[in-house]
Amino acid sequence: EAGVAQSPRYKIIEKRQSVAFWCNPISGHATLYWYQQILGQGPKLLIQFQNNGVVDDSQLPKDRFSAERLKGVDSTLKIQPAKLEDSAVYLCASRHFANTGELFFGEGSRLTVL
Amino acid sequence: AQSVTQLDSQVPVFEEAPVELRCNYSSSVSVYLFWYVQYPNQGLQLLLKYLSGSTLVKGINGFEAEFNKSQTSFHLRKPSVHISDTAEYFCAVSRSNFGNEKLTFGTGTRLTIIP
Repeated sequence: EAGVAQSPRYKIIEKRQSVAFWCNPISGHATLYWYQQILGQGPKLLIQFQNNGVVDDSQLPKDRFSAERLKGVDSTLKIQPAKLEDSAVYLCASRHFANTGELFFGEGSRLTVL
Repeated sequence: AQSVTQLDSQVPVFEEAPVELRCNYSSSVSVYLFWYVQYPNQGLQLLLKYLSGSTLVKGINGFEAEFNKSQTSFHLRKPSVHISDTAEYFCAVSRSNFGNEKLTFGTGTRLTIIP
């Protein structure tokens, strides 16, 4: 089966610009996660969707980050305006309801903010 | 809230030697525990998980881990490593809330295999 698809793989922007990342989860996976992985740190959960509803966005900086999953399939994460500290890899993951804790991760989108 | 501490940021090991990567967790409720591996320029992949039952769990690529509730640990082991095991390893914890797991990851341990 196809894995979790993410794009773009790399993005370089100036601070205060905006950027959007796209994720297409594995077919049939109702749960979708966005994680932020800063260099040298473990992934940090930004937002969790169940179908098209938000389950947890407690660590999403809502003044600049937004995410949506309109039809319960693919998802978009947007940053506007970007700050230097947003430089990180943004990982999308999905999970089938029956598979406890087994997240399938995409290869990530690496963002560099100059 | 749950948290995870990975005690070693880097572990160099000679090829065919055994390895142990250490993980301690903190939680006031029952938990699920996981080890994920990240190869260079790839996403994370599940190695193994502890949900309940036997405290010794076996995963892919010959890895195993033991859940120790009294020491709040979940160390990862392999009796003989191979060059292909070079990667970053992440321990993760989740409240045992089936169907709504929220994984909290540690900072990772970079395993380097020396030929």
